Amino acid sequence: DIQMTQSPSFVSASVGDRVTITCRASQDIAKWLAWYQQKPGKPPKLLIYAKSTLQSGVPSRFSGSGSGTDFTLTISSLQPEDFATYYCQQADNFAWTFGQGTKVEIK
Amino acid sequence: EVQLVESGGGLVQPGGSLRLSCAASGFSLSSFSLNWVRQAPGKGLEWVAYIRSSTSLIHYADSVKGRFTISTDNGKNSLYLQMNSLRDEDTAVYYCARDQIYAFDLWGQGTMVTVSS
Repeated sequence: DIQMTQSPSFVSASVGDRVTITCRASQDIAKWLAWYQQKPGKPPKLLIYAKSTLQSGVPSRFSGSGSGTDFTLTISSLQPEDFATYYCQQADNFAWTFGQGTKVEIK
Repeated sequence: EVQLVESGGGLVQPGGSLRLSCAASGFSLSSFSLNWVRQAPGKGLEWVAYIRSSTSLIHYADSVKGRFTISTDNGKNSLYLQMNSLRDEDTAVYYCARDQIYAFDLWGQGTMVTVSS
């Protein structure tokens, strides 16, 4: 199975900061990379799919980029409601795997 | 309202069985692929199983293959996960999730499964 490695595991940031989270796949996954946001006690929420397509209703401060094995989620200006854990996910040959998560906390 | 609602979780002894249900509303399950995803307490997300009932295509994670069975009942617009030979490491919140363009765009609120003696 393809392994997904997220970095960093933890981010301490302030409102208004630009935050970048990286996800590396153990092999080429083309563009089939999604990003999710999860808050405590809630299910994950899809933010971005197909590496860079913003899910309907998601604010434009979220963006995704990359290709092949290296992908990035960027939050251009962190808002109070963005403090959460973020996961990347790949879809390859019907064996989905998630990154280990990146927790974004208030500095 | 478009939503998924899981039920059926609970406490079960190691080696026991449990059947989870996921009721869909606002859309037809038969038009989509569906998945079960779990999250152990304080841990990350793990994909468990996939089904696309229109093509009878089913896939499982290696960790549950041979023990879990995913199925749908289109008449009841529901998804199921039959879990047998449960182990301590199966303890988790189980989510059903709709698959669209290789990403999960709709999730249920989750149901907790605890495997313990």
